[in-house]
Amino acid sequence: GAVVSQHPSRVICKSGTSVKIECRSLDFQATTMFWYRQFPKQSLMLMATSNEGSKATYEQGVEKDKFLINHASLTLSTLTVTSAHPEDSSFYICSARDPGRGLNYGYTFGSGTRLTVV
Amino acid sequence: AQSVTQLGSHVSVSEGALVLLRCNYSSSVPPYLFWYVQYPNQGLQLLLKYTSAATLVKGINGFEAEFKKSETSFHLTKPSAHMSDAAEYFCAVSVTNTGNQFYFGTGTSLTVIP
Repeated sequence: GAVVSQHPSRVICKSGTSVKIECRSLDFQATTMFWYRQFPKQSLMLMATSNEGSKATYEQGVEKDKFLINHASLTLSTLTVTSAHPEDSSFYICSARDPGRGLNYGYTFGSGTRLTVV
Repeated sequence: AQSVTQLGSHVSVSEGALVLLRCNYSSSVPPYLFWYVQYPNQGLQLLLKYTSAATLVKGINGFEAEFKKSETSFHLTKPSAHMSDAAEYFCAVSVTNTGNQFYFGTGTSLTVIP
């Protein structure tokens, strides 16, 4: 149980275009999802907290106009990288927690999206 | 504030040798502690977690970790390394008063030498 699906797993786009990444909770409803960014050989850095039906909460230093987050339903959050540039190339991972399970159950992570901007 | 420190960004062990990956945490409230493994170009897979029950936690793939409050540590061990254990390992802390966020350590890359 508590499966999170992330799509696409890999995307290459041209500089200046926008890319949308989807994160779905398959067998539970997630009112909150988290988006992380991971640079090569580094840890995961929380970018934003996605809240169903309301605005996302962005971490300090993350451009909200560049990384658009939409959490329109209880099972889907999307991250759109707008006007992508090569420095946006990274590994993006989402996570969510099944609220039907205890807090000690932890979070489930998506399989990640490798974004390459050329 | 909560934080996690992983000592040693790279650890190399011989196949069959003991694996020890270190993790120390800082938390003002009782934490939940996790170890995740990440294979190249993949997401994170939960190895094990400490949730205030038994201090010695057994996880998947033969890994275990011991919560030591006095040392604020949650080191990950495996008695005998296998080639398939080569991956990136992340320690993480989660506390309920922070919106249930995770705070990750910087990760430890494990290399297993044949």
